[in-house]
Amino acid sequence: ETGVTQTPRHLVMGMTNKKSLKCEQHLGHNAMYWYKQSAKKPLELMFVYNFKEQTENNSVPSRFSPECPNSSHLFLHLHTLQPEDSALYLCASSQEAGGAYNEQFFGPGTRLTVL
Amino acid sequence: GDSVTQMEGPVTLSEEAFLTINCTYTATGYPSLFWYVQYPGEGLQLLLKATKADDKGSNKGFEATYRKETTSFHLEKGSVQVSDSAVYFCALKWQGGSEKLVFGKGTKLTVNP
Repeated sequence: ETGVTQTPRHLVMGMTNKKSLKCEQHLGHNAMYWYKQSAKKPLELMFVYNFKEQTENNSVPSRFSPECPNSSHLFLHLHTLQPEDSALYLCASSQEAGGAYNEQFFGPGTRLTVL
Repeated sequence: GDSVTQMEGPVTLSEEAFLTINCTYTATGYPSLFWYVQYPGEGLQLLLKATKADDKGSNKGFEATYRKETTSFHLEKGSVQVSDSAVYFCALKWQGGSEKLVFGKGTKLTVNP
């Protein structure tokens, strides 16, 4: 148990659906991250939030829309996804963004399948 | 651009065997280096790290040494256990600035009793 929880753990959705992934951290951290883990590909950073402000967006398509209402919660809103978006979506948090010693703590992930 | 290359898996070993998982990186300058482990059904956990050349990270019997001359950060363990079965990821991160962790593709390790 890393102190980072994600819901749901599994999600199946059609291409026309709208769904949201939720991440919550209980560590008092100020930075939160979304990663995508696809089969046979390296883990890819999607978004970074530091003190509720988005500081990085790594060329993520607009069908993925993040939201960070406070430092403890992070959402990823999904709409009009494609089958190739099927992957494990991992959330992480750290004390704050910046610094070499800033360990990121990961949640268990949401396994997303797009039909 | 920056990249991390890990040995292709899967790796299958018997209990108490010696483990090496190779990791090399390409980057300008001197990033921080990490090994993460992902047990089945779980997220990634930091296993060990090193922030400068010749540093040795160690945890749970695993070790890795930051080798600037060979741009490597190989993971080793002298005697693996069944409970070490997991996927291992090598990663690099720049000190300060971007939070981007650049990961390798991961190496799946299976340890048989």
